[in-house]
Amino acid sequence: NAGVTQTPKFRILKIGQSMTLQCAQDMNHNYMYWYRQDPGMGLKLIYYSVGAGITDKGEVPNGYNVSRSTTEDFPLRLELAAPSQTSVYFCASSPGDWHTDTQYFGPGTRLTVL
Amino acid sequence: AQSVTQLDSHVSVSEGTPVLLRCNYSSSYSPSLFWYVQHPNKGLQLLLKYTSAATLVKGINGFEAEFKKSETSFHLTKPSAHMSDAAEYFCVVTSAWSLYQLIWGAGTKLIIKP
Repeated sequence: NAGVTQTPKFRILKIGQSMTLQCAQDMNHNYMYWYRQDPGMGLKLIYYSVGAGITDKGEVPNGYNVSRSTTEDFPLRLELAAPSQTSVYFCASSPGDWHTDTQYFGPGTRLTVL
Repeated sequence: AQSVTQLDSHVSVSEGTPVLLRCNYSSSYSPSLFWYVQHPNKGLQLLLKYTSAATLVKGINGFEAEFKKSETSFHLTKPSAHMSDAAEYFCVVTSAWSLYQLIWGAGTKLIIKP
């Protein structure tokens, strides 16, 4: 099992550009999540999904969009990138909700917006 | 409002000496609590979790944590530090208002001196 994979590892964007961060898991987990981690801060939830076709906003969804057409994939779309979106982005998955189940994290994508 | 406070941003110990990473939380209900570890340039990994069973929780790599409701604390300890323990550690608590929300502490960087 590869676990949770994320691409790309690093990316530099110009203000106003768009991009998609890819996330895939091969553990057949129903739940998937996108977080951002700013320097010196804990993780903040951007979006989550409880299954294919079902997504919902987390704590900091503005400027992002997601889709979940398959169990395996959960891409995060940035439209009109802004410097405030400079961060490290983590994708995670879990078999059930986190009150009972462990979350498994990808290695992260480091994004810089200039 | 719920919050998690990791009392030290950096902790430095010598190899072979005990480790104590402190975490306090505020919550209006009895939450689940977790410690996650992030090694340099790696994703996050669950160390241990408390879900209202035994108050002393044992995790991987010799770490353990004790849930103390009266003190609203969930401190992480290890009897003897190893160089490979150098990493950032996050204390995490489940949210009272969302099944899908975790509240993350800001992290404690553990430095191991040879």
